Amino acid sequence: EAQVTQNPRYLITVTGKKLTVTCSQNMNHEYMSWYRQDPGLGLRQIYYSMNVEVTDKGDVPEGYKVSRKEKRNFPLILESPSPNQTSLYFCASSFTPVQGQPQHFGDGTRLSIL
Amino acid sequence: GESVGLHLPTLSVQEGDNSIINCAYSNSASDYFIWYKQESGKGPQFIIDIRSNMDKRQGQRVTVLLNKTVKHLSLQIAATQPGDSAVYFCAENVDYKLSFGAGTTVTVRA
Repeated sequence: EAQVTQNPRYLITVTGKKLTVTCSQNMNHEYMSWYRQDPGLGLRQIYYSMNVEVTDKGDVPEGYKVSRKEKRNFPLILESPSPNQTSLYFCASSFTPVQGQPQHFGDGTRLSIL
Repeated sequence: GESVGLHLPTLSVQEGDNSIINCAYSNSASDYFIWYKQESGKGPQFIIDIRSNMDKRQGQRVTVLLNKTVKHLSLQIAATQPGDSAVYFCAENVDYKLSFGAGTTVTVRA
């Protein structure tokens, strides 16, 4: 089954404790992206990757890092999480980011930073 | 910066009626638009898309209309069913980045 898989689905942690949210897709997609979803703000893009070893900032990259060492994986790293990073996070992928290629989303990771 | 927005945060519809969800965008460079549906506890799910060189596109029970003159996008759902209850997002693609509106919550009344 074609899918985008995120782990963990839920995490409660404390300020400053480094964490990684993994994202994996099995569709051989080139483009991958991370979003955060907050009430009333919709989804905002954090980082995206056009292909292996190619990453770029989205609209809200501060406090986050990503890496793309393999085509299928695109982990999101919070080196020193803070309470304002409490949010619902989604990973997405598509063949290319251009028109005609809608992104497929994972089911989300709910992070709570205390 | 420029952004995508939805006209109404909520919409209540009688089962069997048609639904119309509106979206205004401000970036004239947008070349591709997508509607997503998000059910509780799930990620956004692709519904239908439209390229900027089109005015209308139809899918199964859904139609997307694009008016570039007034930068307006709408999603029409025919014969709305209880399973259509969800949050609907419009999104625009500009320079390899996808920008989303805040979403419209659609509730279907039995």
